[in-house]
Amino acid sequence: QKEVEQNSGPLSVPEGAIASLNCTYSDRGSQSFFWYRQYSGKSPELIMFIYSNGDKEDGRFTAQLNKASQYVSLLIRDSQPSDSATYLCAVNPSGTYKYIFGTGTRLKVLA
Amino acid sequence: GAGVSQSPSNKVTEKGKDVELRCDPISGHTALYWYRQSLGQGLEFLIYFQGNSAPDKSGLPSDRFSAERTGGSVSTLTIQRTQQEDSAVYLCASSYTTGPRKAFFGQGTRLTVV
Repeated sequence: QKEVEQNSGPLSVPEGAIASLNCTYSDRGSQSFFWYRQYSGKSPELIMFIYSNGDKEDGRFTAQLNKASQYVSLLIRDSQPSDSATYLCAVNPSGTYKYIFGTGTRLKVLA
Repeated sequence: GAGVSQSPSNKVTEKGKDVELRCDPISGHTALYWYRQSLGQGLEFLIYFQGNSAPDKSGLPSDRFSAERTGGSVSTLTIQRTQQEDSAVYLCASSYTTGPRKAFFGQGTRLTVV
């Protein structure tokens, strides 16, 4: 079992819709969770982090964390073509300082 | 600096040569990470520094890979006797060691071994 799993996609949504990206992780003691956006040919850009159960909202982005079920999700409201990118989920497992990344979900927002 | 700076941006080297990749982290960030991303793949952890020490080297793929950090700032990743499978984008990130430890990445070094 991979430590951090994401559906590779592509996930296609129409412009203005809500995009929902999901991530599951294996280490139950993980404390911190991050979402990165990576445009093709560019480096990852941090867009959200969450460490408490529940929802965290920042503009059009909402991160959701459920530690009991070991999943974290990212919702993008009013999706725009400029949101088209690969979204990487990263987890900081217990007892370590490194971040384990999922392979990413490719999002395509259709104009 | 304002962000994480990596150099060179691109490096083409012949198989068997040694290469050095440099990372200059965000000022004040004591944690520094090296990752590798092969074409179409996820990020593979290589090594983590806290200050000048490397408590986690578990991701270094072979003894051809080494890294150091001096003065708690600049880090150098060295690959000796490069192989074609070393071709990838090498990414450096830095963060504080307290709080949520948000890591910010540099633009990466694209290494091509021919």
